[in-house]
Amino acid sequence: SQQGEEDPQALSIQEGENATMNCSYKTSINNLQWYRQNSGRGLVHLILIRSNEREKHSGRLRVTLDTSKKSSSLLITASRAADTASYFCATDASNAGGTSYGKLTFGQGTILTVHP
Amino acid sequence: DTGVSQDPRHKITKRGQNVTFRCDPISEHNRLYWYRQTLGQGPEFLTYFQNEAQLEKSRLLSDRFSAERPKGSFSTLEIQRTEQGDSAMYLCASSLYLAGGLPLYEQYFGPGTRLTVT
Repeated sequence: SQQGEEDPQALSIQEGENATMNCSYKTSINNLQWYRQNSGRGLVHLILIRSNEREKHSGRLRVTLDTSKKSSSLLITASRAADTASYFCATDASNAGGTSYGKLTFGQGTILTVHP
Repeated sequence: DTGVSQDPRHKITKRGQNVTFRCDPISEHNRLYWYRQTLGQGPEFLTYFQNEAQLEKSRLLSDRFSAERPKGSFSTLEIQRTEQGDSAMYLCASSLYLAGGLPLYEQYFGPGTRLTVT
């Protein structure tokens, strides 16, 4: 079963606008990762945020993590048509000691469409 | 190219046939994962290896599925007596796990093998 739930399921914006996607999860995590998938292709790793981090930046990407609410958000600033893709959050669950189990549990994804 | 590679990229088979997929991970990565993705869904974990040891198998992995990583390098995923419900994208990923050090948890995915069972 999918642990992560992304919101919204689909997002349509104009080039230059910002896109925000949210992810909620249910169990304790070691880290949370965001991936992008272009139609029918493999997944591309975007960014990883560890459970003891609250915010992380990479280029036009900003990820936040709130472990008390078991939620994360991905912000893409100044979007481009090339950002059109599906975006998935994936959680790497941990045991009581915080050690990663290693496997990822993905949400259903947000389909982002950026219109030129 | 030093990324994860998968072969074949597409496979069409008839129900009841056996199929085998291959994954070649990034050479220095000791962990290798298999996931399955159906249309409109996120990938679902199937199994993973650390070196040649299979550490975990999902309940999704029925008796018809078997995975191996005999020398700790490439891996194969075999599906016996395929069913139409096996139609999906099969994704392989690899990562580097450093015991005692700071593990690198990012998983790097291959392009996938799309299986269609007719």
